[in-house]
Amino acid sequence: NAGVMQNPRHLVRRRGQEARLRCSPMKGHSHVYWYRQLPEEGLKFMVYLQKENIIDESGMPKERFSAEFPKEGPSILRIQQVVRGDSAAYFCASSQGTGDYTFGSGTRLTVV
Amino acid sequence: TQLLEQSPQFLSIQEGENLTVYCNSSSVFSSLQWYRQEPGEGPVLLVTVVTGGEVKKLKRLTFQFGDARKDSSLHITAAQPGDTGLYLCAGVRDNQGGKLIFGQGTELSVKP
Repeated sequence: NAGVMQNPRHLVRRRGQEARLRCSPMKGHSHVYWYRQLPEEGLKFMVYLQKENIIDESGMPKERFSAEFPKEGPSILRIQQVVRGDSAAYFCASSQGTGDYTFGSGTRLTVV
Repeated sequence: TQLLEQSPQFLSIQEGENLTVYCNSSSVFSSLQWYRQEPGEGPVLLVTVVTGGEVKKLKRLTFQFGDARKDSSLHITAAQPGDTGLYLCAGVRDNQGGKLIFGQGTELSVKP
């Protein structure tokens, strides 16, 4: 199992609930990136993390969204009080910091 | 405004034809990558170009990075139905390592 693992693959939440998306990077990769892909749009950068540190969160919405990459365990993208506009595919990528990114298969969030 | 303009957005051709996809920007990129994305999956890296004027070949695919590192092209020779998919260009700007900026993508359909 050498790839970037994201779970769940599909997540359905009612408006106002919380969504937690998990990403386990490739073995040996300490850099994690989250991207969002809305229908009919390209991938948009959200946040870049290294172990226990947020390096660049310039693409994160100011409210309701947070991300972490703890010393142990997967990276978590958390969306509080979800709204219909949060429905999208969320992709995680990892790298060794050398510019070669490997993407996971994504989590498709549907807010009903 | 889209920092990386990719064209065309949609392309439908017959098997055996050649095609070129373009990725243009007014900004300079330290590197540019091309990805292919299948429905329901994450992007898969095809190639990375880092030097202005660089040309890389991957079987029937030829990738070129512009001399000024502001644009790139992907040329496919003798397209096959198996080439069908979404092709994405993505760049990293100087001093923004880790943050990939994606084009809107080109949806390619190759008919037998």
